[in-house]
Amino acid sequence: DSGVTQTPKHLITATGQRVTLRCSPRSGDLSVYWYQQSLDQGLQFLIQYYNGEERAKGNILERFSAQQFPDLHSELNLSSLELGDSALYFCASSVGTGGGNQPQHFGDGTRLSIL
Amino acid sequence: GQNIDQPTEMTATEGAIVQINCTYQTSGFNGLFWYQQHAGEAPTFLSYNVLDGLEEKGRFSSFLSRSKGYSYLLLKELQMKDSASYLCAVRDLYKLSFGAGTTVTVRA
Repeated sequence: DSGVTQTPKHLITATGQRVTLRCSPRSGDLSVYWYQQSLDQGLQFLIQYYNGEERAKGNILERFSAQQFPDLHSELNLSSLELGDSALYFCASSVGTGGGNQPQHFGDGTRLSIL
Repeated sequence: GQNIDQPTEMTATEGAIVQINCTYQTSGFNGLFWYQQHAGEAPTFLSYNVLDGLEEKGRFSSFLSRSKGYSYLLLKELQMKDSASYLCAVRDLYKLSFGAGTTVTVRA
C-alpha cells in the first residue's frame, strides 16, 4: 500500500460527459501528480501541483483540468469525454517539489471506460 | 523533450539474471528512476540514479552512464513474482518522462 488513495477505482460513462477523479496523497506529501496510461501511449504525465499551486504541466488536454485543495487532496476533471480518453488514470505524490532522490508514490489508479 | 527507449519484451528462466537496458535523450537530466508495474496495478519505485555508477538494492541493481545516456536494471535470482513491466523514467527539472516499459516474463 503506497498510502496514495484514488477514488473511484472504476468509472464507466458515455461520450460527451464529464467526470471527476479524486486523489489523496500520502501523509506529509505536498506534491500531487496526475498521469494517464493507455495501451498505446504508456504512462503520460499530465500535471503536477505542489502545496496548492500548479508546478508543472505535461500533455494535458484543454478539456482536462485539475486542482489541489488546502487539505492537499487533488481532483482531475475530464470533460467532453471522447472514446480515446478511456485509460487508467494514476495519481502520484512526493514529499517535496519533485527534485532530488524523492520518488513518486503511485495510487492504484482509476480505470475510466467511455462507451 | 525526452526520448526514452527500452526493449518491449524479455523472457528469462526462474533463478536467472536479466538486464533491461534504457537509453535516453533529454533536454535536461535530473535523475533516472526505475519502476515495477504488475498488470493493472500501480507502478512501484525500485531505484534511483543521478550519478554515474551502480546502485545495488538486494536482488535489484541499477546502473547509469550520463555521458552515454544509458541505464540498465539488473534483476538477479529471478522469481516468478518478478514477471511484470519495468519502466525507465527520466526527470528533467521536475517532470518525469516514462519509457514504454519492458515486459519481463519469468518461466519456470
